[in-house]
Amino acid sequence: KNEVEQSPQNLTAQEGEFITINCSYSVGISALHWLQQHPGGGIVSLFMLSSGKKKHGRLIATINIQEKHSSLHITASHPRDSAVYICAVRFFYGGSQGNLIFGKGTKLSVKP
Amino acid sequence: DTGVSQNPRHKITKRGQNVTFRCDPISEHNRLYWYRQTLGQGPEFLTYFQNEAQLEKSRLLSDRFSAERPKGSFSTLEIQRTEQGDSAMYLCAGSDSADQYFGPGTRLLVL
Repeated sequence: KNEVEQSPQNLTAQEGEFITINCSYSVGISALHWLQQHPGGGIVSLFMLSSGKKKHGRLIATINIQEKHSSLHITASHPRDSAVYICAVRFFYGGSQGNLIFGKGTKLSVKP
Repeated sequence: DTGVSQNPRHKITKRGQNVTFRCDPISEHNRLYWYRQTLGQGPEFLTYFQNEAQLEKSRLLSDRFSAERPKGSFSTLEIQRTEQGDSAMYLCAGSDSADQYFGPGTRLLVL
């Protein structure tokens, strides 16, 4: 059973639309990451959150620790945002080694 | 560019052959992680080094897999007697604190 659930699995949007990707997890975490993976395979870290909200350009990430839920928002989406967006968490029980547990990803396609 | 490099980027091999991948994190990364990602799935943790010490291994890491980080800098992941089920993207990530910096991955295809 995957302890990190993402929704939706696939998302198609028109250029300019506001996009939301959701992530929920099962137990207490020390940090949550939002990652972007392009078709070539390389992964880029977008945000690391332990509370509240972070913003970088058109990307906004929020986390609600009590509800064990995070969202990634993209404002004014653009075709270059097309990628797989992955949520990953570091659980408290993992001790200090810090390995991440990943969701399956959300494949976003933004049409011009 | 995260500064983390992996070689080779692609590897095609025949079942039963041995393969070795290399990961070079940046010098500040005292932690190094290996992950495996199969098609349509998120990455899964394989193993973790703190400097040269291998501190954690996933149950996914069968005895055909071995990883080293001899001087606490680069790391190698070797798969012996490859099987078709080993076909995947192998990712490494370096870390100096809480965030992780991923390499581009090595895509393995076992025929």
